[in-house]
Amino acid sequence: DAKTTQPTSMDCAEGRAANLPCNHSTISGNEYVYWYRQIHSQGPQYIIHGLKNNETNEMASLIITEDRKSSTLILPHATLRDTAVYYCIVRVSGGYQKVTFGTGTKLQVIP
Amino acid sequence: DAGVTQSPTHLIKTRGQQVTLRCSPKSGHDTVSWYQQALGQGPQFIFQYYEEEERQRGNFPDRFSGHQFPNYSSELNVNALLLGDSALYLCASSLAWGGDTGELFFGEGSRLTVL
Repeated sequence: DAKTTQPTSMDCAEGRAANLPCNHSTISGNEYVYWYRQIHSQGPQYIIHGLKNNETNEMASLIITEDRKSSTLILPHATLRDTAVYYCIVRVSGGYQKVTFGTGTKLQVIP
Repeated sequence: DAGVTQSPTHLIKTRGQQVTLRCSPKSGHDTVSWYQQALGQGPQFIFQYYEEEERQRGNFPDRFSGHQFPNYSSELNVNALLLGDSALYLCASSLAWGGDTGELFFGEGSRLTVL
């Protein structure tokens, strides 16, 4: 079973910030939070990951709560090309392990 | 630098047949994972190969088998195909140990239709 829970779907107006929440209440101390997105049945694409500090890259920002039980992916200025299914997963960094995806959040960016 | 490549991109089989899907990992990666994604669902973990051995396995019957070659490429074999095996099959590569961030790199998938 997936270790994360996410809303099934969300809408966001083009140009506005999209905030996608994820609950991972059973996360272990050595597990990172990773975000991926999948556009129209292409292969999932890595977005960002973090352990406990907030992270930012050219695609998005990741905010992790202090207790690490939840996180939020922020797309600062959503565009129509950001319409996709967004997956939040938890895993240790490195090694070989079973990585479980949930059903993700379908983000629809509206013109 | 080539990313993860999968072949074939699409194929159609009939029930009872066997299929082999192929994956070449991203350059420098040594670990290959396979996922099955049914329409409208998230990817489901099938198994993972490292050093030519199956290291982790998801909840899939032994009709699903795989192999990893010395050059780290991998095959997924499915025997006695069922209608329910129709799905997008995704391959993901990663580096098991080392300075990589540990992220998975996915191919574009092989779309299998079983009639």
